[in-house]
Amino acid sequence: DVKVTQSSRYLVKRTGEKVFLECVQDMDHENMFWYRQDPGLGLRLIYFSYDVKMKEKGDIPEGYSVSREKKERFSLILESASTNQTSMYLCASSSGLLNIQYFGAGTRLSVL
Amino acid sequence: GQQVMQIPQYQHVQEGEDFTTYCNSSTTLSNIQWYKQRPGGHPVFLIQLVKSGEVKKQKRLTFQFGEAKKNSSLHITATQTTDVGTYFCAGETQGGSEKLVFGKGTKLTVNP
Repeated sequence: DVKVTQSSRYLVKRTGEKVFLECVQDMDHENMFWYRQDPGLGLRLIYFSYDVKMKEKGDIPEGYSVSREKKERFSLILESASTNQTSMYLCASSSGLLNIQYFGAGTRLSVL
Repeated sequence: GQQVMQIPQYQHVQEGEDFTTYCNSSTTLSNIQWYKQRPGGHPVFLIQLVKSGEVKKQKRLTFQFGEAKKNSSLHITATQTTDVGTYFCAGETQGGSEKLVFGKGTKLTVNP
């Protein structure tokens, strides 16, 4: 069974903290994605990666960075968290052939 | 950039009524996918449409892909309370990008 695991379901951080959100997939997928989901705004793509050590900016990359050192792991980094980064963060992975995306359960991040 | 518009944003129906959500892309798509997100859950893949004019059915759900491959619809016949959630369409552009462009979703509530 397909599995995308996000390290935390809920996270509370202070403004200015460095935040790491981790995502691991066990399907040997080439592509991995980070989205944020806010009410009324749908899913917005932050960054994606189509291979190890490769990354591409999505629609809203400002304030975020990513790391993909291993194929199964894709990390989202908030260098200095701000209150407007309070959101639900969803990780997804897909293979190149069908490009069907499999999502993790999400991390609800609150920045105080 | 490419956009996928989805309407309506919200739909409230009585159990047993039909429901339809529509997606329109600003550019021609190579395929379109539909996802369902239950309340408190994460998006889950429902179906992928690839061919111009394609129609696919899953029990009470009917999915259509337009002739020009720029629009799509999801129709649910005789809604049930288990249909509640947010339905997203997601388009993949021609030319083989790894990323999908998601519509903002239609949130369906069903009154018993």
